[in-house]
Amino acid sequence: SQQGEEDPQALSIQEGENATMNCSYKTSINNLQWYRQNSGRGLVHLILIRSNEREKHSGRLRVTLDTSKKSSSLLITASRAADTASYFCATARGTTDMRFGAGTRLTVKP
Amino acid sequence: GAGVSQSPSNKVTEKGKDVELRCDPISGHTALYWYRQRLGQGLEFLIYFQGNSAPDKSGLPSDRFSAERTGESVSTLTIQRTQQEDSAVYLCASSPPGLAVTDTQYFGPGTRLTVL
Repeated sequence: SQQGEEDPQALSIQEGENATMNCSYKTSINNLQWYRQNSGRGLVHLILIRSNEREKHSGRLRVTLDTSKKSSSLLITASRAADTASYFCATARGTTDMRFGAGTRLTVKP
Repeated sequence: GAGVSQSPSNKVTEKGKDVELRCDPISGHTALYWYRQRLGQGLEFLIYFQGNSAPDKSGLPSDRFSAERTGESVSTLTIQRTQQEDSAVYLCASSPPGLAVTDTQYFGPGTRLTVL
């Protein structure tokens, strides 16, 4: 069963704008990860944020985590057409349980 | 170095036939995972291997699904008597030793299975 739920399901923006995607989950977690998927194929790991962290940056990516609200957001700044992809959050519980959400489909128009 | 590879990349089969999907993890990665992704949906966890043992098979949808792994290398996911609802992309991922299995996973490109 899925744990994370991404919001929105789809997002369309112009190149140069910022894109914000949200993930909500139901149970306590060890960490939360964001992955990117192009064309329905393999996923690429973007960033991992642990439950004791509140914010993390990697290049144009900024991830926040609010464990009290059981939610996370992924911000992509200055988006590019090449950022067009599906973005998934994955929540990790215990040492072996990792569950993926249904994803946000991002389209960046040139 | 080489990433996770999967074969075949595409498989079309007739309902009722058996299929085998193969995953070659990154060399040295001890943990290996199989997921199923139906069109437009998220990933469903199927099974996880640590070495050649499978501590968590909870995601296998039915007894038609089975998986095995040889040592810390190749894994095969077998679907017997395929049904149309088995049509999906099957993704394999691996992760290195020393990390918790819930740390970063490295994904293969997937096998797209179509059952006619």
